Amino acid sequence: DIQMTQSPSSLSASVGDRVSITCRASQDIITYLNWYQQKPGKAPEVLIYAASRLQYGVPSRFSGSRSGTDFTLTITNLQPEDSATYFCQQAYSTPDTFGQGTKLEI
Amino acid sequence: QMQLQESGPGLVKPSETLSLACTVSGGSMNGFFWNWIRQPPGKGLEWIGSIWNSGNTYYNPSLKSRLTISVDTSKNQFSLRLNSLTAADSAVYFCARGNFFEDGNYMDSWGQGTRVTVSS
Repeated sequence: DIQMTQSPSSLSASVGDRVSITCRASQDIITYLNWYQQKPGKAPEVLIYAASRLQYGVPSRFSGSRSGTDFTLTITNLQPEDSATYFCQQAYSTPDTFGQGTKLEI
Repeated sequence: QMQLQESGPGLVKPSETLSLACTVSGGSMNGFFWNWIRQPPGKGLEWIGSIWNSGNTYYNPSLKSRLTISVDTSKNQFSLRLNSLTAADSAVYFCARGNFFEDGNYMDSWGQGTRVTVSS
């Protein structure tokens, strides 16, 4: 299985800040990397797919990038509603695997 | 907008079989693939498996020997069966629509999840 190592596991930031969350894949997954946001008691929602493509309806303050096997989700101008847990997911090979999650507190 | 809704028992006994269904409304199942994902309490996400409208299935190897995923497009529904349950199978089970394109695939529509507890 491809291992996805996500960091940090948690972080705290303030409204208006910029934060970055990183996932490292254990092997090349090209751009088959997606980012999801999950709020307590809710299902995950996709934010970014194919490493850098913004899902329709997601605010442009969310962005994704890739450098080799390292992937970064960046959130600028943090808003209170961004408080959530964020997961990366590789969809390159079966089984799909997720990072451990990053809990963001605003 | 397409909606997905899981249904099934909330409590199952150890060694028994879990059967869950996901009903899709608001659109055709054609052109997508269909996934099951689970999340143990307070933990991360585990992909269980997927099925395409062709009937091809892809399973997580860790569950493959106990797992069956099927689809019934005439009912706009797909299903999961997981046998020989243990407490480790207790989780919230989500169904999700998979969207694919030339550069990858992702899950763009999810059910609200259904909590399953394995206990005698």
